[in-house]
Amino acid sequence: GPKVLQIPSHQIIDMGQMVTLNCDPVSNHLYFYWYKQILGQQMEFLVNFYNGKVMEKSKLFKDQFSVERPDGSYFTLKIQPTALEDSAVYFCASSLSQHQNTLYFGAGTRLSVL
Amino acid sequence: TQTVSQSDAHVTVFEGDSVELRCNYSYGGSIYLSWYIQHHGRGLQFLLKYYSGNPVVQGVNGFEAEFSKSDSSFHLRKASVHWSDSAVYFCAVSALMGTGSKLSFGKGAKLTVSP
Repeated sequence: GPKVLQIPSHQIIDMGQMVTLNCDPVSNHLYFYWYKQILGQQMEFLVNFYNGKVMEKSKLFKDQFSVERPDGSYFTLKIQPTALEDSAVYFCASSLSQHQNTLYFGAGTRLSVL
Repeated sequence: TQTVSQSDAHVTVFEGDSVELRCNYSYGGSIYLSWYIQHHGRGLQFLLKYYSGNPVVQGVNGFEAEFSKSDSSFHLRKASVHWSDSAVYFCAVSALMGTGSKLSFGKGAKLTVSP
């Protein structure tokens, strides 16, 4: 089936550094998402993105977070600067349309902030 | 705000047994319910969804789920499990308003199928 690729699978950085998580969504999908999962906890919505804009974001999507998809390339999540509490697995997802539509998820990027 | 509750964090059954994974939700408006499966080290994969119509929906690999408005539930079932069904199962709800499919997930139920 359709696949969403996330690069890298694991990223280790020092607190205060910048990190960019990359997502290659399903090719004809139009809606993109980031979710955050802290170990042992449920997956939580961060942001959704459509037509070059953030459509909706949660309170977890701090000011240090930003997303973009320049020229149809990777859909990225950038954190600058990182904090210890940003350590989690970040899942990217995409869907063809909004509502009633299936989300396709990547395998996640495990971010470890030291 | 919609919330999802999965009461069974760990479920262990034998191969060939039936299984039911419970999901209850709270939300006052129209919603879209779904189940996803996550095998170790992989992303979530869609199993099935419900929006309207027949409250029993069929998914892949013999899974089905039944929507109950009166119970605010969307339990997942399988009549005869296989060892490959061992995974974490997530129930999700999305409100039918706003933009994009903003899913709210439950904490997940880890299913272990013993041979």
